[in-house]
Amino acid sequence: SQTIHQWPATLVQPVGSPLSLECTVEGTSNPNLYWYRQAAGRGLQLLFYSVGIGQISSEVPQNLSASRPQDRQFILSSKKLLLSDSGFYLCAWSSIAGGGYNEQFFGPGTRLTVL
Amino acid sequence: GQSLEQPSEVTAVEGAIVQINCTYQTSGFYGLSWYQQHDGGAPTFLSYNALDGLEETGRFSSFLSRSDSYGYLLLQELQMKDSASYFCALTGTASKLTFGTGTRLQVTL
Repeated sequence: SQTIHQWPATLVQPVGSPLSLECTVEGTSNPNLYWYRQAAGRGLQLLFYSVGIGQISSEVPQNLSASRPQDRQFILSSKKLLLSDSGFYLCAWSSIAGGGYNEQFFGPGTRLTVL
Repeated sequence: GQSLEQPSEVTAVEGAIVQINCTYQTSGFYGLSWYQQHDGGAPTFLSYNALDGLEETGRFSSFLSRSDSYGYLLLQELQMKDSASYFCALTGTASKLTFGTGTRLQVTL
């Protein structure tokens, strides 16, 4: 069965500090990978998605970047955090099988507070 | 761009039926998805409509009308555990999702 891991679960960082959030998927190959951010009481905003190693698409201009160094590893980074980067960060994966729509499976999330 | 609107809150009694509406604006999409999210948790997939009409999955059904830019999620035989936030989402290439504003459902006794 497939499993998605995210860490850390919670993180408190000062403004201007760097950030690295990691997401790994087990039990599947060549998944589509996604990073979302959710502000308190709001919907999810797609930040980045990846259809393969080294292939990253950014959905919104921002203070963040993403990388996919391995097939099942997706990393979200920032060189200098802003207060507005606070939120609930969720990683997700979907299969590419079938060529049509495939549901997304979400990780447990990282709750980031920037002070 | 794309945008989706949902009612912010809905309250219903245990055992009842509730409908959560979703209206959207888009220049193109593959389908409409629905996700459930409990407080502090991750979203989980409920249903997907690629074509107009009704899709039924157990107690949950979802409907899509492309001509009306409208969809809804129908929850039957409500249970206390159904208290959660529900999101509609437009599906694009690479199964990307654009989420709606979310509806918080409160089920009461």
